[in-house]
Formats: sequence, structure tokens, C-alpha cells
Amino acid sequence: NAGVMQNPRHLVRRRGQEARLRCSPMKGHSHVYWYRQLPEEGLKFMVYLQKENIIDESGMPKERFSAEFPKEGPSILRIQQVVRGDSAAYFCASSPGTTYSPLHFGNGTRLTVT
Amino acid sequence: DQQVKQNSPSLSVQEGRISILNCDYTNSMFDYFLWYKKYPAEGPTFLISISSIKDKNEDGRFTVFLNKSAKHLSLHIVPSQPGDSAVYFCAAVLQGGSEKLVFGKGTKLTVNP
Repeated sequence: NAGVMQNPRHLVRRRGQEARLRCSPMKGHSHVYWYRQLPEEGLKFMVYLQKENIIDESGMPKERFSAEFPKEGPSILRIQQVVRGDSAAYFCASSPGTTYSPLHFGNGTRLTVT
Repeated sequence: DQQVKQNSPSLSVQEGRISILNCDYTNSMFDYFLWYKKYPAEGPTFLISISSIKDKNEDGRFTVFLNKSAKHLSLHIVPSQPGDSAVYFCAAVLQGGSEKLVFGKGTKLTVNP
């Protein structure tokens, strides 16, 4: 499967714990985007990364959230000290970076905070 | 601030008929538009796109129309099939920007056999 791979598919955390979401982009794609979908809402942009660089994090909450895309390995979205309001579906997308190339999405990680 | 609006949360059509999904936007700096289709428990999949220099783009049963003066686009599916039942998201890209997509809230399409 050469698509965008996200894991885990489902993640349950208690309030105050940390959540780590992983994303491996499509082969040949060097641009990664993270989106969050709350119930009954559209997808909201969080952060755009290229290898070892954060390009645009304008959609990231200022506290507790961080993202990285290291030289080797998957992109990681990290949420510290989770709260119930963090419960959502988190989608990763990748692209080759050519102008107006459509983003390809993974199947998401559904985070539930209890 | 909802820059991309899909005002119909749901739409139901009969198999074989036309489905028309609508999308409005407020930011005149958007210059590229996309439609994504999403099944439950899956990620969105790209369907069709249109650049602001065009007013129509067609791909098989799917046609997207863009009316820049009205800041409105629509997706036509003809003929509709039960397998088209999904949530459809309209998305827009800012001129000169990255591929960062601004999404609408989606319209749930149900195609009845």
C-alpha cells in the first residue's frame, strides 16, 4: 500500500496523558499536513511541514500541541496533557510539493480522551 | 470565520438522477478549488479540482462549475449511483500560497436505489 499511513487508527487516552500520532507520507512526497476534524465539522488545518522544517503552524493551538517531520521516520503530532476537547479525528495528508497538486489523505487517527 | 461554506448539510437523490452540491466562499484570494469525497472511518479522497481561470472542469460523471463573480462553485454528479453516497467536502487554496486547504463543513449525499 503506497498511500499515506497513519497509526494508530484509534487511540484512547485519559485526561492529562500524552498522545502521539504518526504519519508516513506517500512514497516520493516530502510535504506533510495535519488536519483535525471535530464532530459535525469540516477539516481544520493545523500544521504544514517539510523534512526537518515547520513551514506553517498557524492552525496549531499555542500550548500542548507540537509537530515534527524528522529527516528519517514518520511525522509525529504530539499532544501533551490531553483534555476532553482534544477528542477528534486527526488526518495527515501528503503531497509532492508541486503547485496545486491535490493532497492525499490517510485514514486518520481517532483520539478519544476519557 | 467560515471562509468556505456548504450550506446544505445533507442531500438525498434517486439513483440515475443528477446530484448538485453547492459551495460558497468569501475570500476573493482563493484561486484553486477542490472537491473531496469521504466515506465513514476513511480519509478524504480527491475527486476533482478547478482553477480560477476556468469556469468548468469535467471528469467522467463529475463536473465542477465555478462562478467567480458570485464566489460560488458546484459539483454535479450525473448519473448518481448508490456508491456515490458519502460526505462531500469543498476546499479552497489561497493564491500564491502553499497547498494548505480551507475546507467547508461538508454535505452528506445519499443516493437511493
